[in-house]
Amino acid sequence: NAGVTQTPKFRILKIGQSMTLQCTQDMNHNYMYWYRQDPGMGLKLIYYSVGAGITDKGEVPNGYNVSRSTTEDFPLRLELAAPSQTSVYFCASRPRDRGLANEKLFFGSGTQLSVL
Amino acid sequence: KQEVTQIPAALSVPEGENLVLNCSFTDSAIYNLQWFRQDPGKGLTSLLLIQSSQREQTSGRLNASLDKSSGRSTLYIAASQPGDSATYLCAVRVETSGSRLTFGEGTQLTVNP
Repeated sequence: NAGVTQTPKFRILKIGQSMTLQCTQDMNHNYMYWYRQDPGMGLKLIYYSVGAGITDKGEVPNGYNVSRSTTEDFPLRLELAAPSQTSVYFCASRPRDRGLANEKLFFGSGTQLSVL
Repeated sequence: KQEVTQIPAALSVPEGENLVLNCSFTDSAIYNLQWFRQDPGKGLTSLLLIQSSQREQTSGRLNASLDKSSGRSTLYIAASQPGDSATYLCAVRVETSGSRLTFGEGTQLTVNP
């Protein structure tokens, strides 16, 4: 029962470096999301995808890029890391099919990123 | 733009007490509202989801209610236990937002033995 898997769990970057946060799910979910959570705050949507080959911006997309070449994987790319991107990043997924049960989001355990 | 607010930000209660967590939202045209639990260093776990046409949902000791007209939801926890200690977040899906959710800041709950 892997669910949503995120790697790495922790990472420290220097200003200007780049990295990719990995997210994979084994539930055949069409919808996938990237959120960031700053201390004491709610989650802000960065990007989301409704299926392979389709992505769209959320509330806070600047400084990030995504791709969705397969149903399982939804990597998040940080280019030119800045201190403002220090946060905890969560990936989530859910099925596309209609129905109450399919509205629930499944979350990964997060990636804690520090940019120094 | 939908805004979601949770009050209080933190709550500490003795074990066994019944308690209520509050969530308010500014746009009443919601599709559904979801309550999540977040343990330290972990992801979020969905607890209850209420469709816009529903008034409440129950799961064990948890009961969530929804009043769309007033823009409010409450999460009621009966007979609280130390294991209930966590941060509770609510999130709303607005009808016109596609599949996106807007989250509140959360209420950090501590249940003392």
